[in-house]
Amino acid sequence: NAGVMQNPRHLVRRRGQEARLRCSPMKGHSHVYWYRQLPEEGLKFMVYLQKENIIDESGMPKERFSAEFPKEGPSILRIQQVVRGDSAAYFCASSPVPGGNGYTFGSGTRLTVV
Amino acid sequence: TQLLEQSPQFLSIQEGENLTVYCNSSSVFSSLQWYRQEPGEGPVLLVTVVTGGEVKKLKRLTFQFGDARKDSSLHITAAQPGDTGLYLCAGARGSSNTGKLIFGQGTTLQVKP
Repeated sequence: NAGVMQNPRHLVRRRGQEARLRCSPMKGHSHVYWYRQLPEEGLKFMVYLQKENIIDESGMPKERFSAEFPKEGPSILRIQQVVRGDSAAYFCASSPVPGGNGYTFGSGTRLTVV
Repeated sequence: TQLLEQSPQFLSIQEGENLTVYCNSSSVFSSLQWYRQEPGEGPVLLVTVVTGGEVKKLKRLTFQFGDARKDSSLHITAAQPGDTGLYLCAGARGSSNTGKLIFGQGTTLQVKP
């Protein structure tokens, strides 16, 4: 039973390009969460999605960032026109029920903007 | 404003020593979780505590949730080099249906052989 799969593991983008981060949740998990981790900081909540629905996007910057979790296929976190400050590790997690009792995290995508 | 304060931020000890990591808040949480994260990997869930005063043991690790559900501690007995890593506490506020967790900034533990 594969865990939460994120790809790519490492992504390098030039300023102004788009970054697409993918997350396939654990089998049977319909709740997906995206978090961002900056060096020396804890994880910051970005967005919580269920299939085809955004439940809570209170942690997502209003501009350039978007997320989706379509009926078929992985969840996608999309960052348009990336800037150096977007460089971070982005983690996806999933749970079978809303996550108050614990998530399963993926290994993350490390985005570097040059 | 950091809703969950972890202390200490860094801890370097010798193998065999005991240690305690604290996670404090002025807010009440419906549940609190502890994760361990190794370099280059995602956090791995160690335990979830839900009831005020609850104590859970996981081998040499003992987790406690404060009576008022505002704080938690992680105690490791006879630490081993394999315990090295970043320990994160995370709290869920209000109904667990929100799905959102608030993380502390982490405690980096180094256990020297």
